[in-house]
Amino acid sequence: ETGVTQTPRHLVMGMTNKKSLKCEQHLGHNAMYWYKQSAKKPLELMFVYNFKEQTENNSVPSRFSPECPNSSHLFLHLHTLQPEDSALYLCASSQIREYNSPLHFGNGTRLTVT
Amino acid sequence: AQSVTQLGSHVSVSEGALVLLRCNYSSSVPPYLFWYVQYPNQGLQLLLKYTSAATLVKGINGFEAEFKKSETSFHLTKPSAHMSDAAEYFCAVSRGNQFYFGTGTSLTVIP
Repeated sequence: ETGVTQTPRHLVMGMTNKKSLKCEQHLGHNAMYWYKQSAKKPLELMFVYNFKEQTENNSVPSRFSPECPNSSHLFLHLHTLQPEDSALYLCASSQIREYNSPLHFGNGTRLTVT
Repeated sequence: AQSVTQLGSHVSVSEGALVLLRCNYSSSVPPYLFWYVQYPNQGLQLLLKYTSAATLVKGINGFEAEFKKSETSFHLTKPSAHMSDAAEYFCAVSRGNQFYFGTGTSLTVIP
């Protein structure tokens, strides 16, 4: 399997639920990212991990909790979400310190909070 | 600071017509520039990237982009639009491991 794989593709959860999004990259990259994509809004960077260490947290509410156990896996733990958190959550990876390395994206998880 | 501006949130072209999607960047140093495409219910897919080896960059699906330093632009073009080109297109600039995306341009292809 190649590329960046995200599961599940679709998730519906109530505001009191706890769920997790999973991302796995098979590209041998050393950086992983979570982005949020909402309708009619620019891509929002949420978290960045370099070599499993979190290097960016763009003022994301604590109801979103990332976890990066190794350089190939990234999780986003969700709890007590709000309806405005409904969006497409995209995982990406890249090879930092490599000249002009682009981001490689997964197909995303479409999250609906009811 | 890095930023990217995409002019026109929606562009419509007839099938077979020229596609031109505009992107301007602001950067104090030579940037790393990218174009991505997003089809419905999918992630972003890399179309092409600027490598500084040549100002005209060829990408997948017949797209190309020209880097113009004097205009701080990196516009995306395709000579002849196909129905399958209908999608959202994003211009991006990177510095280190920070990526900055434009707000996207939705391309509609009219049969």
